[in-house]
Amino acid sequence: ILNVEQSPQSLHVQEGDSTNFTCSFPSSNFYALHWYRWETAKSPEALFVMTLNGDEKKKGRISATLNTKEGYSYLYIKGSQPEDSATYLCAFPENTDKLIFGTGTRLQVFP
Amino acid sequence: DARVTQTPRHKVTEMGQEVTMRCQPILGHNTVFWYRQTMMQGLELLAYFRNRAPLDDSGMPKDRFSAEMPDATLATLKIQPSEPRDSAVYFCASGLFRGTDTQYFGPGTRLTVL
Repeated sequence: ILNVEQSPQSLHVQEGDSTNFTCSFPSSNFYALHWYRWETAKSPEALFVMTLNGDEKKKGRISATLNTKEGYSYLYIKGSQPEDSATYLCAFPENTDKLIFGTGTRLQVFP
Repeated sequence: DARVTQTPRHKVTEMGQEVTMRCQPILGHNTVFWYRQTMMQGLELLAYFRNRAPLDDSGMPKDRFSAEMPDATLATLKIQPSEPRDSAVYFCASGLFRGTDTQYFGPGTRLTVL
């Protein structure tokens, strides 16, 4: 059974702070790594799909990096805003088939 | 703007009643997933289909849950009989059969079993 771990479990930051969190995944048989953003009372929405070692993706103030050899990805948020408050999920495809989701990092940004 | 739709959005029922949740995947997507939101595990995969064939339903309590895909535009998740511990938000997602492809989630059905 694949294990996808995320840390920290939760994070509270002030508006304007930059923050980052980690997703760890099996480094063997790597295929892709997904990041999703999940706001309270809504459904998860895709942020990035990363496939290459050293990949770096960016969307506005959010960026992600990928290290497939050591099995981790970082998600960074620069200058956090209250609207960034959400749970950030990473997911790893099992056999290029179903996604195994981590339990997420819950981010709260206080004004 | 293609999106996954789910009905009903909210359902309140009494213990022992049958509950049916429906999902319309995005046209052209060949894989449909059913997830349940849990406090401990976040997103729990219940079952999924590819080209309407069930591939894995090991996440579902078999005695009371069933999932079907009668046609390419409809997936159903049924609970019979429902129990209070089934209260949760149930999400449907659809996508293409490739690990690099995004899964698109529906808005969810919030189920409350009294």
